[in-house]
Amino acid sequence: DAGITQSPRHKVTETGTPVTLRCHQTENHRYMYWYRQDPGHGLRLIHYSYGVKDTDKGEVSDGYSVSRSKTEDFLLTLESATSSQTSVYFCAIRSGGPLNEQFFGPGTRLTVL
Amino acid sequence: RKEVEQDPGPFNVPEGATVAFNCTYSNSASQSFFWYRQDCRKEPKLLMSVYSSGNEDGRFTAQLNRASQYISLLIRDSKLSDSATYLCVVNFPRGIRTGGGADGLTFGKGTHLIIQP
Repeated sequence: DAGITQSPRHKVTETGTPVTLRCHQTENHRYMYWYRQDPGHGLRLIHYSYGVKDTDKGEVSDGYSVSRSKTEDFLLTLESATSSQTSVYFCAIRSGGPLNEQFFGPGTRLTVL
Repeated sequence: RKEVEQDPGPFNVPEGATVAFNCTYSNSASQSFFWYRQDCRKEPKLLMSVYSSGNEDGRFTAQLNRASQYISLLIRDSKLSDSATYLCVVNFPRGIRTGGGADGLTFGKGTHLIIQP
């Protein structure tokens, strides 16, 4: 157990509404990541953070923003949700090891109608 | 060429058999390699890291061939509980500001394994 929680676990929303997903970790890890998983695709990196207020884009960042105001929380925001953002979102932390082993939260299942 | 490629399966294997998966990756600068396991509607869980010399963890053996850019996973004496999707995962540096190591992982689409009684 890597001490990662995500909230909400499930959400249904409508197109055009803003949505914020939260990832919370209890072990003071520096690096945190947001991925999405869709049928027919591997997990894809959306954004990541390498410290408080330090974030960078991943491969599928369009339509998403992130914030990290404290070590334990990494927020993912969909400013105006679209149906193409229906997905399962996973947060991950990087362990302290040299290999970039990552451990995942339980996921948030988001449906945009 | 896709960055990490796996046979999606499904592999239907009788209990007790040995099964092997391969995975190829495109970026020769890749630095670290992993196998994750994912059960249906659950998060990926690290099964094992893959070392250059190969490594074994109980019934599981992982091999890395850097020259040919492929990774393998061997499961011996398969159990019903081994039924899952196995994800081949590679890390290579992509960031600009952070340099290597801090960036996200690149995942294959997974190989679906079904162990049959």
